[in-house]
Amino acid sequence: AQTVTQSQPEMSVQEAETVTLSCTYDTSESDYYLFWYKQPPSRQMILVIRQEAYKQQNATENRFSVNFQKAAKSFSLKISDSQLGDAAMYFCAKKAGGTSYGKLTFGQGTILTVHP
Amino acid sequence: DVKVTQSSRYLVKRTGEKVFLECVQDMDHENMFWYRQDPGLGLRLIYFSYDVKMKEKGDIPEGYSVSREKKERFSLILESASTNQTSMYLCASSSMTLNTEAFFGQGTRLTVV
Repeated sequence: AQTVTQSQPEMSVQEAETVTLSCTYDTSESDYYLFWYKQPPSRQMILVIRQEAYKQQNATENRFSVNFQKAAKSFSLKISDSQLGDAAMYFCAKKAGGTSYGKLTFGQGTILTVHP
Repeated sequence: DVKVTQSSRYLVKRTGEKVFLECVQDMDHENMFWYRQDPGLGLRLIYFSYDVKMKEKGDIPEGYSVSREKKERFSLILESASTNQTSMYLCASSSMTLNTEAFFGQGTRLTVV
């Protein structure tokens, strides 16, 4: 079975500082997609950022960026200038390409605490 | 905005009851999913559907069944609820034809007593 691993159950950061959340995955495919989702206390899962495996350039979305290392099967999320509203559970997820019907495999999640 | 709506945010049921969790999406998505979320385990796929009346088992289908009679609606059924099915249940949908992410409902926290 394909696996996605988040080795940091909890992380904390001071407001305005930078934090990096780690994610590694297992795959034999060349075509796949990687995502970071945020789940705040409201429980609504929100897409943070997406990376297509065939793209070498790391994705960025405002204060969020990824470090995608395809050979190492690593996909970390960097949050810059952390804000109190960034406090949430963060999930890394992988979607296979082809006829996978869009199934996502998730990591265990990392709880991020932001200190004022 | 894409909207995925789950019928209940909180549900308390007794052991042995038949439980229905309903999910409706309004974006004409082909794919729909039911995930279970437990602490330390992340989200695990129970069942998914890629078309009306079509269903496929996910990673943890035991004790569950699903129904998709209409494209917009995907139901998760616990035939005889047990305490080990106490969990958070998340419904999601995605497009088959577009390379987009999955969109999630707000979750149903089910407690079986």
